[in-house]
Amino acid sequence: QKEVEQNSGPLSVPEGAIASLNCTYSDRGSQSFFWYRQYSGKSPELIMFIYSNGDKEDGRFTAQLNKASQYVSLLIRDSQPSDSATYLCAVYGSARQLTFGSGTQLTVLP
Amino acid sequence: NAGVTQTPKFRILKIGQSMTLQCTQDMNHNYMYWYRQDPGMGLKLIYYSVGAGITDKGEVPNGYNVSRSTTEDFPLRLELAAPSQTSVYFCASSYSGRGTYEQYFGPGTRLTVT
Repeated sequence: QKEVEQNSGPLSVPEGAIASLNCTYSDRGSQSFFWYRQYSGKSPELIMFIYSNGDKEDGRFTAQLNKASQYVSLLIRDSQPSDSATYLCAVYGSARQLTFGSGTQLTVLP
Repeated sequence: NAGVTQTPKFRILKIGQSMTLQCTQDMNHNYMYWYRQDPGMGLKLIYYSVGAGITDKGEVPNGYNVSRSTTEDFPLRLELAAPSQTSVYFCASSYSGRGTYEQYFGPGTRLTVT
């Protein structure tokens, strides 16, 4: 079982829709959870991080964490073509390192 | 602030050659990291450093070496390059190793070994 799993996609949504990206993790000692956005040929950039159960909102982005289910998600409301990128879930676990998922490729269709 | 800078941007190596990937940060961060990213995959940690003079292995250290003589610089050395080391290499830094601190990434070095 991979430590951090994401649906590889590609995920396509129409402009203005809600994009939902999911991530599961295996390390129950994981403490904090990150969502990075990576445009093609570019480096990852942090969008959100969350470490408490529940929801955290920042503009059009909402991160949701459920530690009991070992599940974290990212919702993007009012999706824009500029949101088209690969989204990487990263988990800070008991080894005190970030472990990355393989990413979900999102395409927002105009 | 330039943030995290990496050189070179691209490099082609022949099998068995060696090279050093350079990484410099100007944010006075204690922690620095080297990751590799294979096509369609996430990032895998190669080595990291918690401060000048202190380095430790990550998930995939074989075939690589690092040193950290200053806070700013964290070069990655490839000895005897192999095709399996074809990848994009990212250097990152953070103020702390605690999980609540953001890692800032450099622009990457795209390496091809043929």
